[in-house]
Amino acid sequence: DADVTQTPRNRITKTGKRIMLECSQTKGHDRMYWYRQDPGLGLRLIYYSFDVKDINKGEISDGYSVSRQAQAKFSLSLESAIPNQTALYFCATQSRDRTEAFFGQGTRLTVV
Amino acid sequence: EDKVVQSPLSLVVHEGDTVTLNCSYEVTNFRSLLWYKQEKKAPTFLFMLTSSGIEKKSGRLSSILDKKELFSILNITATQTGDSAVYLCAVEGPQYGNKLVFGAGTILRVKS
Repeated sequence: DADVTQTPRNRITKTGKRIMLECSQTKGHDRMYWYRQDPGLGLRLIYYSFDVKDINKGEISDGYSVSRQAQAKFSLSLESAIPNQTALYFCATQSRDRTEAFFGQGTRLTVV
Repeated sequence: EDKVVQSPLSLVVHEGDTVTLNCSYEVTNFRSLLWYKQEKKAPTFLFMLTSSGIEKKSGRLSSILDKKELFSILNITATQTGDSAVYLCAVEGPQYGNKLVFGAGTILRVKS
């Protein structure tokens, strides 16, 4: 089993729908991140959490919300999806001593 | 605004060539700089650099950090088609809110 698991792997949704992307990890890491990737723009940070009670906005948080349900789970929600949220979304985890970050396999989201 | 700049944006070389990828950042005090390779989906970790002037090596790949000039390079010698990927640089430190900030990446294509 993967250390960082994202579900779903692919999703097509309609404009205006609410959608949740889920991330779970078995690494026991405190720090979790949500990034989106668009061609030519690298990985842009949406939200991050350093422990269960800590949630922080990243550079592109508008239109997104998150929930840290447990140390192992960090969910990203699009309350009302719009086409420019079509992207590849990654969840990542990192240990408290801040060594390498581990990534999930990504969720390809298409909003039509 | 936090900024990590990678160059070139894309590069096409022939097998056997040596390539140098660049990553520059804008702050003087940071904890670590990380390099990742992204082929199909999830980025995979290559190196973490924390000290200036110390080269990290793994096979044909090597990387070095210059904290004074605020940049890092990733060298790949004797390139192979399997080196074709997006190479991502990320910086982490207190002035970034202790979060990982990524550059846009360099797309490397190695032709046979």
